[in-house]
Amino acid sequence: DGGITQSPKYLFRKEGQNVTLSCEQNLNHDAMYWYRQDPGQGLRLIYYSQIVNDFQKGDIAEGYSVSREKKESFPLTVTSAQKNPTAFYLCASSALGTVNTEAFFGQGTRLTVV
Amino acid sequence: AQTVTQSQPEMSVQEAETVTLSCTYDTSESDYYLFWYKQPPSRQMILVIRQEAYKQQNATENRFSVNFQKAAKSFSLKISDSQLGDAAMYFCAYRSAGGSWGKLQFGAGTQVVVTP
Repeated sequence: DGGITQSPKYLFRKEGQNVTLSCEQNLNHDAMYWYRQDPGQGLRLIYYSQIVNDFQKGDIAEGYSVSREKKESFPLTVTSAQKNPTAFYLCASSALGTVNTEAFFGQGTRLTVV
Repeated sequence: AQTVTQSQPEMSVQEAETVTLSCTYDTSESDYYLFWYKQPPSRQMILVIRQEAYKQQNATENRFSVNFQKAAKSFSLKISDSQLGDAAMYFCAYRSAGGSWGKLQFGAGTQVVVTP
């Protein structure tokens, strides 16, 4: 089945450690996105990429890094510089230049700093 | 920058009844898209309905319909004949016409509780 796979579903990290969240899609979408979800705040855009080897900062990029070496993959690294990393992270993808399409979301990764 | 406001943290509705969720937004753009997404307990985001700003006609999808008031920058969602499966967090989202389909500005969400 086509879709977006995020792994792992739950992730625990010690303070001061970097951690990488995986996002893979087999929808042949050009664009991919990372969102952070906190209680009472909705989703906020961290980074997005519209083409391989290129990406742009979203509204809350500080403390995060991404790479886009393959069209199918858009991993997110939460660095030790991120002050409040505990959150729910959602990955999404979409086609570009297409009318009447939509963004598709993964099932998310819950990151907890311990 | 655009902002999206959902002023109702939680709404409760009985099965088979109707509930309306409010959403207002702030933008200086004339062309854009608005969406309502549903996030059930599984936390998978599901698109419920979409509205293009240049269309005056309100969008409908089965039991879901919107009331789009462009001048007032208001975009409410009506759920008719509510079902237990409608219980979820609902997010209003904005997309610039020139932006990507996944580059969205979300509201804080409204939790819908459906009682038997």
